[in-house]
Amino acid sequence: GAGVSQSPSNKVTEKGKDVELRCDPISGHTALYWYRQRLGQGLEFLIYFQGNSAPDKSGLPSDRFSAERTGESVSTLTIQRTQQEDSAVYLCASSFAQTLSGNTIYFGEGSWLTVV
Amino acid sequence: GDSVTQMEGPVTLSEEAFLTINCTYTATGYPSLFWYVQYPGEGLQLLLKATKADDKGSNKGFEATYRKETTSFHLEKGSVQVSDSAVYFCALSDRRGSTLGRLYFGRGTQLTVWP
Repeated sequence: GAGVSQSPSNKVTEKGKDVELRCDPISGHTALYWYRQRLGQGLEFLIYFQGNSAPDKSGLPSDRFSAERTGESVSTLTIQRTQQEDSAVYLCASSFAQTLSGNTIYFGEGSWLTVV
Repeated sequence: GDSVTQMEGPVTLSEEAFLTINCTYTATGYPSLFWYVQYPGEGLQLLLKATKADDKGSNKGFEATYRKETTSFHLEKGSVQVSDSAVYFCALSDRRGSTLGRLYFGRGTQLTVWP
């Protein structure tokens, strides 16, 4: 597609339920990122995929959070046993392979998650 | 660790006023620096970037200069427009091998421009 596509755009879920958020990166982009943005806060890094390398999971806040990516395409972020503090916008971004000078990273519009 | 601190908002200006949004960073080594903008109802977009000291990024009348001596990357615009109303995020990209490409963001600064 023309840009990074995320679904669902909005999700309301009950505390304790699992949710899956999907990201379709720009075609040809080998790098894919997940960030979280809580209300009034900056963006928190969650996880980074780069080609076939092991992902950088250092930003995942707990073992309830996991993410997968199939090859260089779609990624799914899964949150198990959701808690109210998980309510946030989850942003996906992609870019061509990162270099020392930095390639432009393109963001999707985000998935708004509300845990009630 | 690497981090970005940017000016707290919100910032409210009249059209044609001068804008400065301060951003300072802490990093090991020499990161790349970015300003992203998020217009109402839209995703984050890259506004400008600079990859080495003394570089100036510019776009849509906005400018920011990479100042290594003051570890700053302040965003400026000489004459803002109503259409510039958005949230602005300063960010840095780590250049170290193990975390290459990871972006660290500031908290964002809400700008509102009145006609």
